[in-house]
Amino acid sequence: RKEVEQDPGPFNVPEGATVAFNCTYSNSASQSFFWYRQDCRKEPKLLMSVYSSGNEDGRFTAQLNRASQYISLLIRDSKLSDSATYLCVVFETGYALNFGKGTSLLVTP
Amino acid sequence: DAGITQSPRYKITETGRQVTLMCHQTWSHSYMFWYRQDLGHGLRLIYYSAAADITDKGEVPDGYVVSRSKTENFPLTLESATRSQTSVYFCASSVPGQNTEAFFGQGTRLTVV
Repeated sequence: RKEVEQDPGPFNVPEGATVAFNCTYSNSASQSFFWYRQDCRKEPKLLMSVYSSGNEDGRFTAQLNRASQYISLLIRDSKLSDSATYLCVVFETGYALNFGKGTSLLVTP
Repeated sequence: DAGITQSPRYKITETGRQVTLMCHQTWSHSYMFWYRQDLGHGLRLIYYSAAADITDKGEVPDGYVVSRSKTENFPLTLESATRSQTSVYFCASSVPGQNTEAFFGQGTRLTVV
């Protein structure tokens, strides 16, 4: 099984700050990439897919660098409700979703 | 109710006992998965299934058995529970394809004493 690596954090940021999470993956044949969000003791939920050209959804921007095997998530204007664990996820052909261990974010007033 | 549901939500069992965790989805998704989540390890794949009667091992299958006689159900059985199997177990489902979302159940918190 190939690895998906994330900085576990925690990242403690004030409301309104911009925060960025990074993720690296080891399988160069990986085909699809995602960010999931997991609130404490709850199930993971899809935050956004990550496309090669980069994509944005409101305050969230995801980018993929296939050459460096690197994925990022940028959160602008952080809200208290953004506090959660963010999971980097890679889909590998012939396998299921491969999860990183997650990065913990705490947004403070 | 529509969606993916797991039962029980909480379970305490003794070492050596057999226990089955249930997973049911109403979308007719062909793919179903079982993950376990432990502190320091993140989500690890136990077994997955591409369709009824098709199952395959994931990263940590030892000590677990699955079956998929119907598309909507994917039970996970611990044949002889051990303390190391104390964990939170998540079931998920998805349609085939690379960029499809996986939907997770609410999880089963299992404690083996």
